[in-house]
Amino acid sequence: SQQGEEDPQALSIQEGENATMNCSYKTSINNLQWYRQNSGRGLVHLILIRSNEREKHSGRLRVTLDTSKKSSSLLITASRAADTASYFCATDNGDNYGQNFVFGPGTRLSVLP
Amino acid sequence: DGGITQSPKYLFRKEGQNVTLSCEQNLNHDAMYWYRQDPGQGLRLIYYSQIVNDFQKGDIAEGYSVSREKKESFPLTVTSAQKNPTAFYLCASSRHNSPLHFGNGTRLTVT
Repeated sequence: SQQGEEDPQALSIQEGENATMNCSYKTSINNLQWYRQNSGRGLVHLILIRSNEREKHSGRLRVTLDTSKKSSSLLITASRAADTASYFCATDNGDNYGQNFVFGPGTRLSVLP
Repeated sequence: DGGITQSPKYLFRKEGQNVTLSCEQNLNHDAMYWYRQDPGQGLRLIYYSQIVNDFQKGDIAEGYSVSREKKESFPLTVTSAQKNPTAFYLCASSRHNSPLHFGNGTRLTVT
């Protein structure tokens, strides 16, 4: 079953602008992860935020988590054309290995030069 | 460099034929996974394996089979029983309670 749902489905911005993507989920989680996928390639892990964390930073990425609203957001600051990709959130309920990861349909980000 | 290798990148088959997709990892990860991705969709879990000689069905296992005879290898066979096999197939691996590492996928087209 699809638990993570990203919003918007597609986002188009100019280089230098910030991009914000949202993820909503339905059940309790142990952590939430964001992945990036370039066209025709595999997914690459970007950042993991645990259920007891509210905000996390990694370079130009900022992730927030609101467990009361069951939602997360990914902010990419000062976007570059190379950030053009699909971004997925995946929720993990913490039971053993990653077989319980549930991926949303993703947000397709286009950064125009 | 450690990583996951999927081969081939593109695969074409006629309907009714079985086809095997290769996945090899040198990350020394215990767990391995197969996902299917359709256009504009998220990933759906086909099979996973937590340890050698053991594997479990995921959400969409019908029409697929796997084996895990070695820690490094987790091949996926798409059988003729899979009704809609054309898709992008992704293999991944992980340590316990850690993020997934993905290969670059195999795009299978069945005509």
